[in-house]
Amino acid sequence: GAVVSQHPSWVICKSGTSVKIECRSLDFQATTMFWYRQFPKQSLMLMATSNEGSKATYEQGVEKDKFLINHASLTLSTLTVTSAHPEDSSFYICSARRAGTSGRNEQFFGPGTRLTVL
Amino acid sequence: AQRVTQPEKLLSVFKGAPVELKCNYSYSGSPELFWYVQYSRQRLQLLLRHISRESIKGFTADLNKGETSFHLKKPFAQEEDSAMYYCALGSQGGKLIFGQGTELSVKP
Repeated sequence: GAVVSQHPSWVICKSGTSVKIECRSLDFQATTMFWYRQFPKQSLMLMATSNEGSKATYEQGVEKDKFLINHASLTLSTLTVTSAHPEDSSFYICSARRAGTSGRNEQFFGPGTRLTVL
Repeated sequence: AQRVTQPEKLLSVFKGAPVELKCNYSYSGSPELFWYVQYSRQRLQLLLRHISRESIKGFTADLNKGETSFHLKKPFAQEEDSAMYYCALGSQGGKLIFGQGTELSVKP
């Protein structure tokens, strides 16, 4: 149980276009999902916290108009990178916290999406 | 400030040798700590958490509040243990604060 999927697993796009990444909890409901960036052999940098039915909370330094997050249901959150530029190329990872576990911080991670902006 | 420090970027040991991956934290309240592992080309997965006091794949970690540490240990490393290891601290709102990660390389 507690499987999180991401789609697509990799995407290549032209500079200036927008890219949408989906994060789904397959066998559980997730009231909270998190979006991270990861650079090669480096740590995960939290970008934003996504709560179902409300606006996402962005970490300091992350542009909310650049990285649009929508968490429309208990099993789906989307990250849209708008007007992508080469510096947005990265590995984007989502995670989900199971509903009903408000007192615990365990997260289940997706496999990540490799974004390359040409 | 809430912070997790993993001082070693790379740790290389021979198969059968003991291994210890260091993790220190800074947190004002009662900490909730985790170790996550990321094998090559795979997703991040939970290895263990301090509240469970369990041993997974031979790894253990003890929370030392006096030293604010949560070091990961294994008495006899195996080649399949080679991976990136991340120490993480549970924070408000369910957030996780990750350390920089330590790459463990176990040589035959």
